[in-house]
Amino acid sequence: KAGVTQTPRYLIKTRGQQVTLSCSPISGHRSVSWYQQTPGQGLQFLFEYFSETQRNKGNFPGRFSGRQFSNSRSEMNVSTLELGDSALYLCASSLEPSTEAFFGQGTRLTVV
Amino acid sequence: KQEVTQIPAALSVPEGENLVLNCSFTDSAIYNLQWFRQDPGKGLTSLLLIQSSQREQTSGRLNASLDKSSGRSTLYIAASQPGDSATYLCAVIQGAQKLVFGQGTRLTINP
Repeated sequence: KAGVTQTPRYLIKTRGQQVTLSCSPISGHRSVSWYQQTPGQGLQFLFEYFSETQRNKGNFPGRFSGRQFSNSRSEMNVSTLELGDSALYLCASSLEPSTEAFFGQGTRLTVV
Repeated sequence: KQEVTQIPAALSVPEGENLVLNCSFTDSAIYNLQWFRQDPGKGLTSLLLIQSSQREQTSGRLNASLDKSSGRSTLYIAASQPGDSATYLCAVIQGAQKLVFGQGTRLTINP
């Protein structure tokens, strides 16, 4: 059974650009959530989707957005990139909300 | 606002020792608590999930306990091995699928 797949694994972008990250959950999982991990702030919740609906959003600016498709795959987008957006972005999937979460390997975003 | 604290921040022990990692949380209104390990530059690997109605959960050499009333969880690792070296994170699941994480305990097992 395939795990959570995140693409791409690594990205280097320039300030002001935008970026789209992709997450394919475990087959049958309908809940997808996103997290940002930095050395200073640790793991912080970005948003969560279930059945194509955003159910919860963390305390991040509107430059961070996401969506979920009918096959449960999810994308997150960051517009007008800033140096502080450099981080490991992790996606988690679960069968239903509040059940065990399984994480992907993450996308390492570097903004220069 | 839920806050999760992990103590100690770092721990170094010789191979073969039994050890305990601690996690505390401020709001007892949680759905579940989950323990993860993270290797450098990698994603999170789920170790154990404890549902809010459970007191403990075991998987191999790992045993996790949960005391909701006192806002505490512990992860017990028996007979530690060098391969156990990693950062261990606890997270409370609070509403929908929002995980609130502690800062982690960086564990080093010395051969």
